[in-house]
Amino acid sequence: KQEVTQIPAALSVPEGENLVLNCSFTDSAIYNLQWFRQDPGKGLTSLLLIQSSQREQTSGRLNASLDKSSGRSTLYIAASQPGDSATYLCAVLRIKAAGNKLTFGGGTRVLVKP
Amino acid sequence: NAGVMQNPRHLVRRRGQEARLRCSPMKGHSHVYWYRQLPEEGLKFMVYLQKENIIDESGMPKERFSAEFPKEGPSILRIQQVVRGDSAAYFCASGQNTEAFFGQGTRLTVV
Repeated sequence: KQEVTQIPAALSVPEGENLVLNCSFTDSAIYNLQWFRQDPGKGLTSLLLIQSSQREQTSGRLNASLDKSSGRSTLYIAASQPGDSATYLCAVLRIKAAGNKLTFGGGTRVLVKP
Repeated sequence: NAGVMQNPRHLVRRRGQEARLRCSPMKGHSHVYWYRQLPEEGLKFMVYLQKENIIDESGMPKERFSAEFPKEGPSILRIQQVVRGDSAAYFCASGQNTEAFFGQGTRLTVV
C-alpha cells in the first residue's frame, strides 16, 4: 500500500527566504508525481507535474525534483512572498489494471511573514 | 474548456437526510476520482470511476456511500442518512492517466 509523507507539517519563514518542502513515498512504482497548492477553504491548484522518467520540473520560482528510486521529491520555492502562504500537497499516481489511484501526502502548511 | 465543475459548492443537510454531490469532468476526460478532506486533514481517496464503471472503490465507506458516473451527465457521489461525521469537503478530479485536475469542492455540513 502506497504511503506518502510530507515533512515538515508546517513551516514559517520570513519573506524572501527560500522554501524547501519534502515529500516521500513508499512504493517507487509510480507513474508521475504532482505538487498542488491549496488555499484555505479552496480547491487544489496543480503546480508541477513530474513524470516518473523525469528528474525535475521548473515553473517560474518553483522547482521540483524527483528521485524515484529513493522515493523522494522536493519542492523548492525561491524568494518566498506572502502570497505563497498556503498548504502544499504532493500526490503520486499509480496506474494498474485494477485502477488508477492518486495518493496524497498530509501536506505542508506554509506561512510567509512579511 | 471549463475546468472540473462541482456543485453545489456548499451543502447543508440535517442528520438522516441524503446528500448528492455532482461533478462534471473536464471535456474529453472519462476518468473521475472522488476524495474527502476532513477539517485539518489531508485528502483521502474514496473512489475511481470511468464512464459507467466503478474501477476502484477501496476508499468508500461500506455503508451509506455510493458513486456513479453514467454515460451521460455528471458523476454523482451520494451519501444516504448523513451523520455529523460526514461533514467534510468532497473533491472531484478528472484526468486521462496524466495530470489530475481538481474541482473547487463541495463543502458538506451536517447539522
